[in-house]
Amino acid sequence: DAGVIQSPRHEVTEMGQEVTLRCKPISGHNSLFWYRQTMMRGLELLIYFNNNVPIDDSGMPEDRFSAKMPNASFSTLKIQPSEPRDSAVYFCASSFRQGGSYGYTFGSGTRLTVV
Amino acid sequence: AQSVTQPDIHITVSEGASLELRCNYSYGATPYLFWYVQSPGQGLQLLLKYFSGDTLVQGIKGFEAEFKRSQSSFNLRKPSVHWSDAAEYFCAVGAGAGSYQLTFGKGTKLSVIP
Repeated sequence: DAGVIQSPRHEVTEMGQEVTLRCKPISGHNSLFWYRQTMMRGLELLIYFNNNVPIDDSGMPEDRFSAKMPNASFSTLKIQPSEPRDSAVYFCASSFRQGGSYGYTFGSGTRLTVV
Repeated sequence: AQSVTQPDIHITVSEGASLELRCNYSYGATPYLFWYVQSPGQGLQLLLKYFSGDTLVQGIKGFEAEFKRSQSSFNLRKPSVHWSDAAEYFCAVGAGAGSYQLTFGKGTKLSVIP
């Protein structure tokens, strides 16, 4: 299994531009999580899906952030417009059944820099 | 709601020395507990997990952790640290069957002196 695949690994963009981060979960996993990691705030859960349905998006910082999961093998996290304070590492993770029992498998992350 | 505290932000040990990283959790029922490791520039990798049964669990890379209900702790240990163990370590707690989320601690950064 190739694991959780995220793209791109690095993204540098100018303030105001739209940014799209992509994630392919492990085949057979039915829960998917988006996290943001910064030095100041640590790991923050942004949103998670179960069977492609968003369950909790209370961690999404504001309306500029949106996430979709059109099918079981693909999810996107979009920031529009991007701001310098969005600079962080964004992780996608997936789990079999409920992650609270089984734990997650993380992708390698996307390092986003907004200048 | 559950919570996790990792009291040590940064620990430095000499190569070959023993290691213990502390983790305290708050949860009303029997928790599901996890330790993850994050090497620089990488995602988080699962080291070990505790669900039930034997309170001493073995993980990958020679790590072990002990669940102590009376102390609400799940400390990570390794008898002899290698330079490659330098990384950040995260403790996490899940609410168990039927729950989706893991709650992560802030992490402990481990530095290893040759």
